[in-house]
Amino acid sequence: GGIITQTPKFLIGQEGQKLTLKCQQNFNHDTMYWYRQDSGKGLRLIYYSITENDLQKGDLSEGYDASREKKSSFSLTVTSAQKNEMAVFLCASSPDWGGYTGQLYFGEGSKLTVL
Amino acid sequence: GDSVTQTEGLVTLTEGLPVMLNCTYQSTYSPFLFWYVQHLNEAPKLLLKSFTDNKRPEHQGFHATLHKSSSSFHLQKSSAQLSDSALYYCALSDRGNYKYVFGAGTRLKVIA
Repeated sequence: GGIITQTPKFLIGQEGQKLTLKCQQNFNHDTMYWYRQDSGKGLRLIYYSITENDLQKGDLSEGYDASREKKSSFSLTVTSAQKNEMAVFLCASSPDWGGYTGQLYFGEGSKLTVL
Repeated sequence: GDSVTQTEGLVTLTEGLPVMLNCTYQSTYSPFLFWYVQHLNEAPKLLLKSFTDNKRPEHQGFHATLHKSSSSFHLQKSSAQLSDSALYYCALSDRGNYKYVFGAGTRLKVIA
C-alpha cells in the first residue's frame, strides 16, 4: 500500500505571511488535490492537478497558489495569511483519470493557525 | 451544479441503536456516490462506494443504497458501536468532472 505524507503537520504563521504546505504520495497516482476542511462546511476544493505540471483551480482558489513539480508531489501556498485564520488542509490523490470512479486517498492534514 | 446535502451536523446515539445518516444529492449526470469516514486525528478514508449495477455496498457493518428516484445515498448500520464515533462525509463524482463534491459532514457520537 501507499501513503500520503503532508508537511508540516502544524503550521503557525503571522498575518500577511506567505506559507507553504507540501504533500508527497507514493501511490504513483496521476491526480492530486488540495482541500480545505472547515467544521460544518465540508471539504472544499482549492486546487487539483491531473498530471505533472498541470494545475486546475477549484472553488476556493482565491488566496492560494499551487505547484506540481513532479508526479509524486503537490504543494499549496497561502499567499497572504489572514489574521485569526484557523483551518485544516487535506491533500489527496486518486488513481483514476479525473477520479471519476475511483476513491480518494487522503493525508492526515496540515493544521494552520495564523496569529 | 452538483451538490451534496447532509442535513444533520451532529448525531448522538446510544450504543446498540441503529444508525442512519442522511445524504441527498443533485447531479447533472449519473454520479458515483461515496461515504468517507474520518476518526479523530486521522485521515479521511473510504467507507463505501456506490455500484453501477444497483448492488448494495457494505463494509464494517455499514451499508448504503443508491436511490436514483429520490437522489439519496443514506448510510445505515443496524447497531452502533462506540468505535463508530467519527465524522462522516458523503461525496459524489460524475462523468466529465474531475472534482469530487462533498457534503458538510455529519459527526456521529456513540455513547455507552
